[in-house]
Amino acid sequence: KAGVTQTPRYLIKTRGQQVTLSCSPISGHRSVSWYQQTPGQGLQFLFEYFSETQRNKGNFPGRFSGRQFSNSRSEMNVSTLELGDSALYLCASRGLQGGVGEQYFGPGTRLTVT
Amino acid sequence: GQQVMQIPQYQHVQEGEDFTTYCNSSTTLSNIQWYKQRPGGHPVFLIQLVKSGEVKKQKRLTFQFGEAKKNSSLHITATQTTDVGTYFCAPRKGGSTLGRLYFGRGTQLTVWP
Repeated sequence: KAGVTQTPRYLIKTRGQQVTLSCSPISGHRSVSWYQQTPGQGLQFLFEYFSETQRNKGNFPGRFSGRQFSNSRSEMNVSTLELGDSALYLCASRGLQGGVGEQYFGPGTRLTVT
Repeated sequence: GQQVMQIPQYQHVQEGEDFTTYCNSSTTLSNIQWYKQRPGGHPVFLIQLVKSGEVKKQKRLTFQFGEAKKNSSLHITATQTTDVGTYFCAPRKGGSTLGRLYFGRGTQLTVWP
């Protein structure tokens, strides 16, 4: 099976702009979670989607939003970018058949805000 | 979020030495997962521990879950340069959804030949 894919891999944006990141989970996985990774804050949970519904949301401002499509692909959007939004954004998918709930991470999107 | 402390933050060892990282929680955990992230890479699932006092081994890696289910450790015997990376614990309390992980700050392991 192909792994989790994320596009784009790298992105440079200016303060005030908005950005949309995309994640395609492993085929058959219906759960997609998003995380932000920074040197200062580590890995922080953004939100989780399952069957097009947001199941959980982390402690991030409303500028961070997401959605999931019927094919389980997910997007996250950050509006009015701030310098502090520079980070590695990781998505992870999880299957439901068997397993122990481990998450499979994509390679991430490296976002730089200038 | 869940309060968990992972120590040490950094560890530098010579190839062949052992390495241990600890994950300590202030509350009882339902289970705990461990992930490894290579430099420039993404987290990769290593293992999940569920039972009190559980010990699991993967080749040179030994994972333990405390009797009180509040702490866990990962021990690597005779480190190799391929062990370089950051090791994260991801503890879970009962009631939390499977898709939401709270990660420790990680232990960054450097191995020099």
